[in-house]
Amino acid sequence: QSALTQPASVSGSPGQSITISCTGTSSDVGGYKYVSWYQQHPGKAPKLMIYDVSNRPSGVSNRFSGSKSGDTASLTISGLQAEDEADYYCSSYRTSSTFVFGTGTKVTVL
Amino acid sequence: QVQLVQSGAEVKEPGASVKVSCKTYGSTFSNYFIHWVRQAPGQGLEWMGTINPSVGSTSYAQKFQGRVTMTRDTSTTTVYMELSSLRSEDTAVYYCAREPTNTGWFDPWGQGTLVTVSS
Repeated sequence: QSALTQPASVSGSPGQSITISCTGTSSDVGGYKYVSWYQQHPGKAPKLMIYDVSNRPSGVSNRFSGSKSGDTASLTISGLQAEDEADYYCSSYRTSSTFVFGTGTKVTVL
Repeated sequence: QVQLVQSGAEVKEPGASVKVSCKTYGSTFSNYFIHWVRQAPGQGLEWMGTINPSVGSTSYAQKFQGRVTMTRDTSTTTVYMELSSLRSEDTAVYYCAREPTNTGWFDPWGQGTLVTVSS
């Protein structure tokens, strides 16, 4: 049961845009709309940022957006702010009623 | 507003079992699943399994099959996750999270329970 693949780290300056990729297979990311993204600050529980590939829950900034192409999903943060510095994880439904998370990406605001 | 509140930190010896609880406030047991996710120190999130609290049906990650048991108490809207045959690699923060039925996303999450396995 391998995890989805994310870059270990991504960085950007305030105001810039960054994109985090999440690569799986046709049995998870590529096969279902159930891709979600979570933000986690140190010592805190994860927070839902994107669901169903590209939908934002109420209260989440519109600077966060999601997309998917084939077996790879992406999270874009535009207008990067200091408060965006955190770890980010993707998640996908996988066949046989299971779920899988990505390896996680540390976002650094320079 | 739905809130998940977990039980406190535990310290266990290798070979023992641990049972972590997750109580739901602000909602009944209908129309959602509860998932368990763990995070070892400095590591990523790992999905362990899920329970449908209404009927008690479960689905576990293959890695934990035979070692994990998820149950619920409908009278107290509490879900439990028991992990047996503990080893040092099971030291982690364990989270519960709610998934509205068949939506594929987790929100909200519990505050996390640190389980330390050490002799």
